[in-house]
Amino acid sequence: NAGVTQTPKFRVLKTGQSMTLLCAQDMNHEYMYWYRQDPGMGLRLIHYSVGEGTTAKGEVPDGYNVSRLKKQNFLLGLESAAPSQTSVYFCASSYSSASTDTQYFGPGTRLTVL
Amino acid sequence: EDKVVQSPLSLVVHEGDTVTLNCSYEVTNFRSLLWYKQEKKAPTFLFMLTSSGIEKKSGRLSSILDKKELSSILNITATQTGDSAIYLCALIKAAGNKLTFGGGTRVLVKP
Repeated sequence: NAGVTQTPKFRVLKTGQSMTLLCAQDMNHEYMYWYRQDPGMGLRLIHYSVGEGTTAKGEVPDGYNVSRLKKQNFLLGLESAAPSQTSVYFCASSYSSASTDTQYFGPGTRLTVL
Repeated sequence: EDKVVQSPLSLVVHEGDTVTLNCSYEVTNFRSLLWYKQEKKAPTFLFMLTSSGIEKKSGRLSSILDKKELSSILNITATQTGDSAIYLCALIKAAGNKLTFGGGTRVLVKP
């Protein structure tokens, strides 16, 4: 199993450009999440999905959109990138059962917006 | 508003020392507290704590939850340079699977 994979690993954008980050998991997990990590702030939840075709807002959703067309994939889109979106982005997935709360994380995408 | 606060922010120790990290929280409908270790890339899962007073151990690492004090500690004994990392604490509430993270504690173990 590859676990949780993310593409790309690094990206540099200019302000106003758009891009999509792809997250894929092969563990048949129901739940998927997108976080951003900034220095000293831990991880903050952007959007999440509790199943194919469903998405919901997290703690810091503004400026981002997501889609979960297939169970194994969760896409994060930036329509018009801003320097404040410079961050490291992590995708995670988990089972839906309350008895297994562990989230498994991807390796991260480092995004710089100039 | 839910809060997860970790202390200290960072610390530097020498190999062989013991480290104690703290996580305190304010959250309604608490379900579980999780500890993660983050080296250069993705956070990796260490422990999940649900019940108060029950210590979980894995090698030189151990953790315990105190629901009365709304806190948890993570201990690392006989530290090694490979323990250098950011240690993250996160909470899950009773409804849903969203994690709320603390800011992390950066640990540097010097040879």
